[in-house]
Amino acid sequence: AQKVTQAQTEISVVEKEDVTLDCVYETRDTTYYLFWYKQPPSGELVFLIRRNSFDEQNEISGRYSWNFQKSTSSFNFTITASQVVDSAVYFCALRNAGNMLTFGGGTRLMVKP
Amino acid sequence: GAVVSQHPSRVICKSGTSVKIECRSLDFQATTMFWYRQFPKKSLMLMATSNEGSKATYEQGVEKDKFLINHASLTLSTLTVTSAHPEDSSFYICSAGGVGGYTFGSGTRLTVV
Repeated sequence: AQKVTQAQTEISVVEKEDVTLDCVYETRDTTYYLFWYKQPPSGELVFLIRRNSFDEQNEISGRYSWNFQKSTSSFNFTITASQVVDSAVYFCALRNAGNMLTFGGGTRLMVKP
Repeated sequence: GAVVSQHPSRVICKSGTSVKIECRSLDFQATTMFWYRQFPKKSLMLMATSNEGSKATYEQGVEKDKFLINHASLTLSTLTVTSAHPEDSSFYICSAGGVGGYTFGSGTRLTVV
């Protein structure tokens, strides 16, 4: 069985602060994929990143960066210089060899002006 | 990029009636689509995996006779909520994809009155 845990249910920051969203996963598979999605109030899921289990390189995309550490089974997401438009629910997800996507509980990020 | 269209985006129906939700892959063929349900402030829970030309695979606890899934073509999967009750009110979202990533529909907010 696989599991994704996002321990932070809600985070509130002031604009321009940096914020890190934690994600810890469990899987018995050696090949798997990790994802982050953003869900704004409108409800649609916006794809942010996909990382396969063999690629531990950290990634930076503008104000977003991801830290993948297999040793601790974590795939944390950092937003630098947060903005009000970053306010949303963020989901970490894991896909195993069976093509099933398992979501974490989500972290609600509130960025205040 | 891949686009998944989901309709309707919002529906209100009376108890006892049935509601059909459509999920279409617009620019790619999807042999497999996934249906999720999301309660307010909760994560996405996989309901079933829809397989083109064969029966859907339902997750434990999901009533297959209540949530009918049809995947008659490579671009269309439908979810029919039969004899809807207020407790079926929820946000339903479909997705298609696989190794390369998943594309989600924009979701359907169902309210049963």
